[in-house]
Amino acid sequence: EVQLVESGGGLVQPGGSLRLSCAASGFTFSDCWMTWVRQAPGKGLEWVANIKYDGTEKFYADSVKGRFTISRDNAKNSLYLQMDSLRAEDTAVYYCAKYAGGHDYWGQGTLVTISS
Amino acid sequence: EIVLTQSPGTLSLSPGERATLSCRASQSVRSSSLAWYQQKPGQAPRLLIYAASSRATGIPDRFSGSGSGTDFTLTISSLEPEDFAVYYCQQYATLPRTFGQGTKVEIK
Repeated sequence: EVQLVESGGGLVQPGGSLRLSCAASGFTFSDCWMTWVRQAPGKGLEWVANIKYDGTEKFYADSVKGRFTISRDNAKNSLYLQMDSLRAEDTAVYYCAKYAGGHDYWGQGTLVTISS
Repeated sequence: EIVLTQSPGTLSLSPGERATLSCRASQSVRSSSLAWYQQKPGQAPRLLIYAASSRATGIPDRFSGSGSGTDFTLTISSLEPEDFAVYYCQQYATLPRTFGQGTKVEIK
């Protein structure tokens, strides 16, 4: 059974940093592109970043470019999102998702709240 | 950036009725690289359709997708009570991987 479990969310002050993790199981993680998608409270879905199966290619939404870094550790079947210089508008539930021509599996999400 | 515009914003229907949801792209979506997702309150999105018309694993055949180029449609042939939710389209042909703003299907 495919499972994606996010962790690391919480309350952070503006300008602060947070590192999200996503633990993957039930599939060959090292074969798959992976994605972070976020959803602000009461709003729609926003693609944040994705990373190639071997970590050699990474792409970001303009809204997070230069502040967020996506990475992975295939030995640990884990995906990460390092978030720096956080802003109030980064407040959202962050989902990791497996990409296979469409995102076929999603985690349950982790809530990130940016507030003083 | 490809902008996806979904219509209508809200669809009020009764169980058993047919739902037709539209997703229009600001430019052609190459190779019909378009997906549809369903999201219920408090839950993660669920993939329904990929490549514009292919049903994902385990998705009932009352869900169907069609279209190409800039116009895509998700059809639910006969609404079941569990189908009332928000539906999003997403293109994965180009970066950034944009989503539509969503269509809410509510019980009339």
